[in-house]
Amino acid sequence: DGGITQSPKYLFRKEGQNVTLSCEQNLNHDAMYWYRQDPGQGLRLIYYSQIVNDFQKGDIAEGYSVSREKKESFPLTVTSAQKNPTAFYLCASSRPGSLYNEQFFGPGTRLTVL
Amino acid sequence: AQSVAQPEDQVNVAEGNPLTVKCTYSVSGNPYLFWYVQYPNRGLQFLLKYITGDNLVKGSYGFEAEFNKSQTSFHLKKPSALVSDSALYFCAVRDNIGSGFQKLVFGTGTRLLVSP
Repeated sequence: DGGITQSPKYLFRKEGQNVTLSCEQNLNHDAMYWYRQDPGQGLRLIYYSQIVNDFQKGDIAEGYSVSREKKESFPLTVTSAQKNPTAFYLCASSRPGSLYNEQFFGPGTRLTVL
Repeated sequence: AQSVAQPEDQVNVAEGNPLTVKCTYSVSGNPYLFWYVQYPNRGLQFLLKYITGDNLVKGSYGFEAEFNKSQTSFHLKKPSALVSDSALYFCAVRDNIGSGFQKLVFGTGTRLLVSP
């Protein structure tokens, strides 16, 4: 999975809890992304970050928060405000500003709300 | 906004036969198109991309894709399918979202099942 690690692989959350998903990359990529995958819906963009200390909302940011304090790390927090958080979460990175910027994906974290 | 459509939820093919996974796109301007593959409980792996140039793009694991501007299609193909090709395939298109930054917009995915 190309130098991107995500942990944990499986995560269980109780109603009302916040949980944080880890994403680390050693590809020296500036841009990082978080996607949510649900069956039959493809991938939807939650947040993205072009550089350290900067990030932007994607298409479905409500109920999620991120930080980008280091180039290598882009953790995602799923808050209690996210009404339906059970999903597969994928982190990705790429070189920004290039026409050829395919994204490299981590192995994913499967979050289940109990 | 840019978008892609994958009209088939599932494609079934026998091992050794050719396979095609369909993708059509809707873009303003030049399309920049990608194919990814996902194995169960894994992240996505990049297969190939079309930026410009030849309409037949060759990628990883023997896959290729044919770009057709008149039909706005970017179908994924392989001459001889393997059981190990069974996976979920995603088509994606690049979308500009300002400040020189791009994101990928993904289709809903097509499950490929190759039978022995």
